[in-house]
Amino acid sequence: EAAVTQSPRNKVAVTGGKVTLSCNQTNNHNNMYWYRQDTGHGLRLIHYSYGAGSTEKGDIPDGYKASRPSQENFSLILELATPSQTSVYFCASGGDWGGRGAETLYFGSGTRLTVL
Amino acid sequence: TQTVSQSDAHVTVFEGDSVELRCNYSYGGSIYLSWYIQHHGHGLQFLLKYYSGNPVVQGVNGFEAEFSKSDSSFHLRKASVHWSDSAVYFCAVREVSSGSWQLIFGSGTQLTVMP
Repeated sequence: EAAVTQSPRNKVAVTGGKVTLSCNQTNNHNNMYWYRQDTGHGLRLIHYSYGAGSTEKGDIPDGYKASRPSQENFSLILELATPSQTSVYFCASGGDWGGRGAETLYFGSGTRLTVL
Repeated sequence: TQTVSQSDAHVTVFEGDSVELRCNYSYGGSIYLSWYIQHHGHGLQFLLKYYSGNPVVQGVNGFEAEFSKSDSSFHLRKASVHWSDSAVYFCAVREVSSGSWQLIFGSGTQLTVMP
């Protein structure tokens, strides 16, 4: 069973503070993703990565940075947190299924971030 | 623009009933479709996927989905639901030919199974 672990599970931050959300996967998947989930919006892609050293912007990258220092780890960084970034954040990993770009994603349990 | 639509935000059924959760998409290229389930307080878990071949695909826990190109749909079905099936269900689509690795998720359908 693929494993994706996120930390912390819950985080309270102050406006203007720096927040780092961490994600670790033991699946040896090339692709990793950060999503946020808000009521009424479903899942929205923030950043993703094709492998160590790569990061790509998703649909809503403003206010977020990402870092992929290794195959296993993918971090999401909020340099100056704002209340609008209060949300639940999910990390996922995925590997190419049959070489056709049709991968299955494995999600972590999420991080609930509250920015006061 | 690729879009995926789940028209029912909430579906309520009784245990033992059959259920269909609807998913429609809007583009005509070669696509990859999947369904995920999210129990309260947890991350999403993969249920099933379709890329080609038999349009009816089987997933875990008795779920199946049917792809229809003419209707641009990929509806999820279960013949007899259990209370533990209560969760939010997400349909997801990727246009394979675009070269993009992004899965586009629908807004989700909350399924409530009453005892």
